[in-house]
Amino acid sequence: GQQLNQSPQSMFIQEGEDVSMNCTSSSIFNTWLWYKQDPGEGPVLLIALYKAGELTSNGRLTAQFGITRKDSFLNISASIPSDVGIYFCAGQRAGNNRKLIWGLGTSLAVNP
Amino acid sequence: GAGVSQSPSNKVTEKGKDVELRCDPISGHTALYWYRQSLGQGLEFLIYFQGNSAPDKSGLPSDRFSAERTGGSVSTLTIQRTQQEDSAVYLCASSFGGALDTEAFFGQGTRLTVV
Repeated sequence: GQQLNQSPQSMFIQEGEDVSMNCTSSSIFNTWLWYKQDPGEGPVLLIALYKAGELTSNGRLTAQFGITRKDSFLNISASIPSDVGIYFCAGQRAGNNRKLIWGLGTSLAVNP
Repeated sequence: GAGVSQSPSNKVTEKGKDVELRCDPISGHTALYWYRQSLGQGLEFLIYFQGNSAPDKSGLPSDRFSAERTGGSVSTLTIQRTQQEDSAVYLCASSFGGALDTEAFFGQGTRLTVV
């Protein structure tokens, strides 16, 4: 099935470093969502973006809806050990089909 | 309930047996998804229900997999004649399903082990 191109696939960083990950698509999207999944849990929504160019922050997290509507990025500033997990992007394509399309995830490891 | 509820949380079954996994979505949510996730992997889309529309079954891996959503609420994912490769975490998510309200909320998942 269709998936978003999410990168990087994994990251290993030192505590305190900033992190950036992104998702791209060949199609135009109306919505971009960023989720985090902790081990043994379901993904939890971090940030939702509904407008091209929108830049939204949630604590140390910042996400942007690309102006082309074909990409989005998530930044994490000053990483801490509890940021460890898998981060997923998801989006809803323009058009009548409201089914969410998902990236394959970015696995983040933080060395204290 | 306040969140998406899935049951059972864990299921161990013998190869060849049928299993049923249940999902209680958030009240009022018209959209419901089933995903499968292997350890450390991404979300594999299985099926999508949206209101009264015909479900999108394009992600079901074989005809051993089926899902129903009764009364627009509770959903059951059924796997017949389970195989070892069916072992995974099965996640359910629901959302309001509106054009500007697509945020999906996940349950804790059902960990299925086929032995």
